[in-house]
Parts: sequence; C-alpha cells; structure tokens
Amino acid sequence: AQSVTQLGSHVSVSEGALVLLRCNYSSSVPPYLFWYVQYPNQGLQLLLKYTSAATLVKGINGFEAEFKKSETSFHLTKPSAHMSDAAEYFCAVSDHQAGTALIFGKGTTLSVSS
Amino acid sequence: GAVVSQHPSRVICKSGTSVKIECRSLDFQATTMFWYRQFPKQSLMLMATSNEGSKATYEQGVEKDKFLINHASLTLSTLTVTSAHPEDSSFYICSARPPGNAETQYFGPGTRLLVL
Repeated sequence: AQSVTQLGSHVSVSEGALVLLRCNYSSSVPPYLFWYVQYPNQGLQLLLKYTSAATLVKGINGFEAEFKKSETSFHLTKPSAHMSDAAEYFCAVSDHQAGTALIFGKGTTLSVSS
Repeated sequence: GAVVSQHPSRVICKSGTSVKIECRSLDFQATTMFWYRQFPKQSLMLMATSNEGSKATYEQGVEKDKFLINHASLTLSTLTVTSAHPEDSSFYICSARPPGNAETQYFGPGTRLLVL
C-alpha cells in the first residue's frame, strides 16, 4: 500500500529564511506526488504536483519540490519565507490509476516569524 | 480551473438528527468522487470512494450505514451523516476527478459539521 511520511509536524522559520518541508513516500513504483496548502478553516489548494515528467517541479507562490527516486523523497522548498506562507502543508500520493484517491501525510504546520 | 462546490459550508445540528452534504462538480463530469474527513489539527482521512451509478467503496473502519453516499449523477455526490453524534463533528471534504485523469483531483471547500 502507498503511504507518505512527513517528517516534522511543526516547522518554524524566520521571514526571509529558507523553507524546507520533508516528505518521503512508500510505493513499489514511482507514484504521482502532490503538495497542498491549507489555510485555517479553508479547503485545500494545490501547490504543485509530480507526474513523472521533470523531477524538479515548480509550483505557485514560489514553492518548488524535487522528486528523488533514490531517496523516495519529494521535499518542498521555498528560498525565502513570507509571513503569508504560514499554513498547514500536506504531501499526498496516488498511483497512476484514474479511480484511486489521494493518500495524505499527517501534515506539517509552518510558522513564520518576523 | 475546474470547480467543485460543497453545500452547506457549515452546519450545526442536534445529536440524533441526519445531515446531508452535497458535492458538485460544476464544469466537468466526475465518474469518481471521494469523501474525506479531517479532525482538528489532523490530516485528511479517506472515508469512501463514490462511483456514479454504483455503490460506494468504504475505507476500513467507516460505517457505511452511518455515512450514506449517493452518486446519482455525473456531477453530484451526497454524503448523509445519519443519527449524528458529537464525535461526528468534523470537517468533511469532497474531491472529484475528471474521467480518465489520474493526475488531477479537484477539492471542494469543505463542510464544517458541528453536532451538539
């Protein structure tokens, strides 16, 4: 069965600092991988996704993630944190079948201090 | 991009009553929709997969008689929480996938259920 593990339930950074949110997946074949952001009391917003094209994926709001098969990782990064980046971030995985759901990690809360 | 709506966005009900939540794909047909539940400060947990014209597939531990799912058309799936109890209070989120598209899933804005 597929699964994702997000290391660190809470990450704190200063404004302008590098953001690194970790995600490792477990799958017998390279899956589709996603990062979502959720602001308080809101739904999910897709940041970026990996679908077996380029391994370095650029998303919205300056975020990017790199798929590393050898490390089974898909870590999310942003060079310079902004106060508005404070939110909950979820890594998710799915296989290549059209009828399957996303499986989510437990989430990482990002706090940004001034 | 494609839009998925949920109604209501927030509902408060008394214990023992039933609540229906609607999930609609507004500009595409969705043969498959998914229902997730999210407790405070936790991740989204898949409850069931809803297939148009057939019975839903429930995840282990989810009571199918308590959480009734109906996917009567290609644009509408409903989740009915029957005989709701305070422990059913949660954030319910649906998602929909366009046919034959494994890469893309559109999420609804969620429904906040509070059972008193």
